Amino acid sequence: AQRVTQPEKLLSVFKGAPVELKCNYSYSGSPELFWYVQYSRQRLQLLLRHISRESIKGFTADLNKGETSFHLKKPFAQEEDSAMYYCALRGFQKLVFGTGTRLLVSP
Amino acid sequence: SQTIHQWPATLVQPVGSPLSLECTVEGTSNPNLYWYRQAAGRGLQLLFYSVGIGQISSEVPQNLSASRPQDRQFILSSKKLLLSDSGFYLCAWSVQGRGHTIYFGEGSWLTVV
Repeated sequence: AQRVTQPEKLLSVFKGAPVELKCNYSYSGSPELFWYVQYSRQRLQLLLRHISRESIKGFTADLNKGETSFHLKKPFAQEEDSAMYYCALRGFQKLVFGTGTRLLVSP
Repeated sequence: SQTIHQWPATLVQPVGSPLSLECTVEGTSNPNLYWYRQAAGRGLQLLFYSVGIGQISSEVPQNLSASRPQDRQFILSSKKLLLSDSGFYLCAWSVQGRGHTIYFGEGSWLTVV
């Protein structure tokens, strides 16, 4: 079965502080992991995916198969990073999401 | 370029009434199609997905159903709505196969009263 766990419902940090949004997954096959973001009044959109190994808006995420994790990190949070973040796992055909973490960045 | 649209954007329906949410994708062919429900505290829940016309996989047993009458059309339905069906419904699509991004529609707010 595919399962994604995001243990934190809310993460509140100050501007300039480091951010780590946790994501753990369960999947017996070779997973594809994604982070999606939803800013206020905007549609859900892809932030990054593990196969690209890219940095988007200063965010990075490394797939750790040993720990079955795909944590999202940013060294210095900005106020515009405030949003809802979803970790997602793609198996054979379907994409399964975690429950999401709301990130609030205060000035 | 590819686009996805779903409608209506908002809907208020009485308990026991039927439901039909429609989603269409343009600019691509033979996409994977998905219906998700976004509920507070429960994240994004996959309801149905389809890899082809008439092929529907149901993830969560409930009083909702989905149909794919055409290649790029995905419909979410119910014969009799329950209060618990209230929520934000998202249609999404992707190119078939691994490594492809999933793109989401604007969403539909359903309130069952």
